[in-house]
Amino acid sequence: SAVISQKPSRDICQRGTSLTIQCQVDSQVTMMFWYRQQPGQSLTLIATANQGSEATYESGFVIDKFPISRPNLTFSTLTVSNMSPEDSSIYLCSVERGSYNEQFFGPGTRLTVL
Amino acid sequence: AQTVTQSQPEMSVQEAETVTLSCTYDTSESDYYLFWYKQPPSRQMILVIRQEAYKQQNATENRFSVNFQKAAKSFSLKISDSQLGDAAMYFCAYRNPLLSTSGTYKYIFGTGTRLKVLA
Repeated sequence: SAVISQKPSRDICQRGTSLTIQCQVDSQVTMMFWYRQQPGQSLTLIATANQGSEATYESGFVIDKFPISRPNLTFSTLTVSNMSPEDSSIYLCSVERGSYNEQFFGPGTRLTVL
Repeated sequence: AQTVTQSQPEMSVQEAETVTLSCTYDTSESDYYLFWYKQPPSRQMILVIRQEAYKQQNATENRFSVNFQKAAKSFSLKISDSQLGDAAMYFCAYRNPLLSTSGTYKYIFGTGTRLKVLA
């Protein structure tokens, strides 16, 4: 398994502002992943972050809206920019571990945009 | 494109009873992985059980077992002797066997089944 922490655990933000979410892993990993879980819905992959290169974004997600940093092998940040109420979600980071490349998730950041 | 369907938005089970959560998926691949994840209320998502498609034997982890029907593309989760701590949202997930353009394995999650355990 992996020990993954996220900060903040929750936040309430005003429309038009930005929030940066931090994800810290207990040991080095090549890839880190950012997911969005909208209320009552499933997980949707936003992007994959590889240390030393630009993140790879999934269809429907763009760097200007969700800039990602990956400064080292244990840490990543996701910024939700120019927020609107539609950005209210749980944001999860995850890593792959083990011989089956299983996904292990952080506790999530619950974001509410007013 | 691969899809994962969980047709039961919500299920209830009496404590100590058995419950089965359904999951179907669609893929043209022959070798892949399937997972069940548990997300308790306001808590971290954790892996419950995994199944490798090339293995005919159903995976088992203590009180959790799966019924994997490859031809039918069905992957149900059975929880035996249900406990109050089993109350959670359960997500079925499919992992593509091929690496994506980002060099990783893409996961597709179902919409989840909320399990309530009644005392």
